[in-house]
Amino acid sequence: KAGVTQTPRYLIKTRGQQVTLSCSPISGHRSVSWYQQTPGQGLQFLFEYFSETQRNKGNFPGRFSGRQFSNSRSEMNVSTLELGDSALYLCASSADSPRRNTEAFFGQGTRLTVV
Amino acid sequence: QKEVEQDPGPLSVPEGAIVSLNCTYSNSAFQYFMWYRQYSRKGPELLMYTYSSGNKEDGRFTAQVDKSSKYISLFIRDSQPSDSATYLCAGSRGGSYIPTFGRGTSLIVHP
Repeated sequence: KAGVTQTPRYLIKTRGQQVTLSCSPISGHRSVSWYQQTPGQGLQFLFEYFSETQRNKGNFPGRFSGRQFSNSRSEMNVSTLELGDSALYLCASSADSPRRNTEAFFGQGTRLTVV
Repeated sequence: QKEVEQDPGPLSVPEGAIVSLNCTYSNSAFQYFMWYRQYSRKGPELLMYTYSSGNKEDGRFTAQVDKSSKYISLFIRDSQPSDSATYLCAGSRGGSYIPTFGRGTSLIVHP
């Protein structure tokens, strides 16, 4: 069974640009969550999508957005990039079960560097 | 104050040692508790989860939750160099709530 796939693995962007990251969840999983990981703040929750609807949202500015497609694949977009957006962006997928919040499977992440 | 606190380390131990990793949390509504392991340049992988208070053992790993003191622990017996990684603890209210993670503790097991 394939794991969570994130593309691309590495990205370098310039301040002011926008970026789109992609996540393909484990087959059969309908929940996809996005996290930002930095040395200073650790793992911070961005948003969660379930059946193409945003179900939960963290405390990030509106420059961070996402969407989920009918095949559960998800994308996140960051507009008007800032130097502080440099981070590892992680996607996690979960099955729809009572324990789904305890069984999130992470991808390897996309390392975004803003210069 | 973050809802889940962890000492970032690094914690350096010799091979074969018993390792104790700890977290504290402040949200009394947390019911589920998890430990993730993250190797360098990789995503976190779920190691263990527990529901409410108590112990759970899986091979060399034991997770312990004390809800009265809001304390979460992970014990690693007979530690190996391959255990060198960052360990993240997390708590969740369950249901549709998203887990809250600590910042992680870096563990180094030297031969």
